[in-house]
Amino acid sequence: QLQLVESGGGVVQPGTSLKLSCFVSGFKFGAYGVHWVRQAPGKGLEWVAVISYDGYNTFYGDSVKGRFIISRDNSKNTLFLQMNSLKIEDTAIYYCARDTALGTAAPRLDHWGQGTLVTVSS
Amino acid sequence: IQMTQSPSSVSASVGDRVTITCRASQGIGTSLAWYQQEPGKAPKLLIYPASSLQSGVPSRFSGSGSGTDFSLTISSLQPEDFATYYCQQANGFPVTFGQGTRLEIK
Repeated sequence: QLQLVESGGGVVQPGTSLKLSCFVSGFKFGAYGVHWVRQAPGKGLEWVAVISYDGYNTFYGDSVKGRFIISRDNSKNTLFLQMNSLKIEDTAIYYCARDTALGTAAPRLDHWGQGTLVTVSS
Repeated sequence: IQMTQSPSSVSASVGDRVTITCRASQGIGTSLAWYQQEPGKAPKLLIYPASSLQSGVPSRFSGSGSGTDFSLTISSLQPEDFATYYCQQANGFPVTFGQGTRLEIK
């Protein structure tokens, strides 16, 4: 059974850091690109970042570029999102999602986790 | 690439036919995906590329379009179809979604 399970969310103050994790099972993790997508309360979907199957290629959304870092450990079937210099507007549910392919082009997301809530508040 | 959906919300009844449109700010061929998100749940991939249903998606859903103009049609609404729908361009990075269309029960 294919699963993606996010963890690491919580309440943090502006300017601080937080690291999210996404543990996957049920498929060969190292063969797929994986994404982070977020959704602010009551708002639409915003793409955050992608990492290619081998970890060598990464792309970021403009709103997080230079602050967030996506990484992966294929030996542990785990995806990460290091979030630095957090802002109030980063408050959202953060989903990890599998790409249908290598994560280097033509992105589409066929399996999603249930999300982890990050709240940035003073 | 900016993605613009319309309408932002629509009210309809069970059995109705509904069409949602999505426009890209530049041509993307057929590199378009549609997602359904039920309240409190993660999005679900319905269609990719523009007119190909994913496995297990009911045939009452259909997609069409190419270039800049796309549409998602539900031919006969069922109770479980009342949700929010998003388009997403799959032409490249950064990935962009439409703002969503909320489908509500009339």
